[in-house]
Amino acid sequence: DTEVTQTPKHLVMGMTNKKSLKCEQHMGHRAMYWYKQKAKKPPELMFVYSYEKLSINESVPSRFSPECPNSSLLNLHLHALQPEDSALYLCASSQTLKKTGGYTFGSGTRLTVV
Amino acid sequence: AQSVSQHNHHVILSEAASLELGCNYSYGGTVNLFWYVQYPGQHLQLLLKYFSGDPLVKGIKGFEAEFIKSKFSFNLRKPSVQWSDTAEYFCAVNDNTNSGKSTFGDGTTLTVKP
Repeated sequence: DTEVTQTPKHLVMGMTNKKSLKCEQHMGHRAMYWYKQKAKKPPELMFVYSYEKLSINESVPSRFSPECPNSSLLNLHLHALQPEDSALYLCASSQTLKKTGGYTFGSGTRLTVV
Repeated sequence: AQSVSQHNHHVILSEAASLELGCNYSYGGTVNLFWYVQYPGQHLQLLLKYFSGDPLVKGIKGFEAEFIKSKFSFNLRKPSVQWSDTAEYFCAVNDNTNSGKSTFGDGTTLTVKP
């Protein structure tokens, strides 16, 4: 089991739906990340939060909207997605941006857009 | 921008064989280096990391990696692989710019035959 919990594990949504992915960690980490991973590909960074503030947005389309309501939670709101957005969405955390020590990853949410 | 190159896309070994997976990075400054492993159906896990000091670092499950600054390399090794080492292995680099951002290589699929 990982110390970063992601829900749901699987999600199927239509192109007109609105859904949210949730990520939670209780390690006291102050940096949290969203990555997207396609099959047999490396994770691609989407967003970085540091002390609940958005630090990096890797030019992600606005149909993906991140939110960090507190130091333990990270959400990713999804709206009007495209089939090509189907992927494994990974949440990760690290102690801080400077002291990463490596990421702790969640198990991911496997998203299918139909 | 930094980049990470993993030379071997797919490696097939028999049990007890020795393993070496190559990783080269492009960034010329100070870097933090990582190897992650993703077992089938599981989340990404940190295998080992290098920040400074002894260039030979030891990780979990008998893995080790050697940082060679002059070659911009951080190769992963294991003297004797087991069937349970079958997984995807990713090398990653932080350019130490306090962004927390890791750049991942394309990954190497390791298949160990029993």
